[in-house]
Amino acid sequence: DIQMTQSPSTLSASVGDRVTITCRASRSISSWLAWYQQKPGKAPKLLIYRASSLESGVPSRFSGSGSGTEFTLTINSLQPDDLAIYYCLQYNSYWTFGQGTTVEIK
Amino acid sequence: QITLKESGPTLVKPAQTVTLTCTFSGFSLTTRGVAVGWFRQPPGKALEWLTFIYWDDDKRYRPSLKSRLTITKDTSKNQVVVTMTNVDPEDTATYYCAHRRISTGEIDHWGQGTLVTVSS
Repeated sequence: DIQMTQSPSTLSASVGDRVTITCRASRSISSWLAWYQQKPGKAPKLLIYRASSLESGVPSRFSGSGSGTEFTLTINSLQPDDLAIYYCLQYNSYWTFGQGTTVEIK
Repeated sequence: QITLKESGPTLVKPAQTVTLTCTFSGFSLTTRGVAVGWFRQPPGKALEWLTFIYWDDDKRYRPSLKSRLTITKDTSKNQVVVTMTNVDPEDTATYYCAHRRISTGEIDHWGQGTLVTVSS
C-alpha cells in the first residue's frame, strides 16, 4: 500500500497570505496526485490533477507542484472562501488520501 | 454535465447488510475507460477509498474490506450498487460515489454523499 503523509494538519493564516501544504508518498507515484478542497457538509472538489494541472474553473491562486514522492499545494493570496480542509490523493496504485489539512483564517 | 447521487438507508443495525445505490447521469458506464467508485468518510476523519467498477466490469476492492464488499453496475439504469455485509459501528460514515476521468484517471465528480449510521 502507498501511504500519504500530509502536513501540516492545521494551519492558520491571514487573508492575502501565501499558504503551502505538503504531501509525501511512501514510494514514487510519478505525477499521479490530485488535490481536493472540502467544505463542511460538502463533497470534495477537485482543484489540481496530475500534480500541477489546474482544474477548469478553479481560481489561479491555487497551484500544485512536485513529482515522485514530494508534492505541494500552494494558495497564493488566501481568501476567506478558502476556509476548508484540503486533501491530497494518490491514484498511482489504487487510491490513498492524505489525512487532510484544515486551513483557518486568522 | 456529470452528476451522481447516492441513496440508501440512513440507519443500519450491527451485523446487517447495507446496500447503497449510485445513480448517475452525463456519462455511460459502457464507454471505454469509464469507472465509478465508492469512498467513505467517518465523521471528522479523512476520506477512504472502498471500491471501483470499470466499463468492462473489472472491479477493484480495498484489500481490508474485500471480503465484505460487492460492487455491481446496471448500465440500463445508469446505476452502480455497492453492498457491505456484517456492518459495525466503525462503518458509520458518509458514503460518496464518484466518477473517474477517462483521460487522466483522477476523481473529478462526486455525489453529495449519504450518511449511514450503524447503531443498535
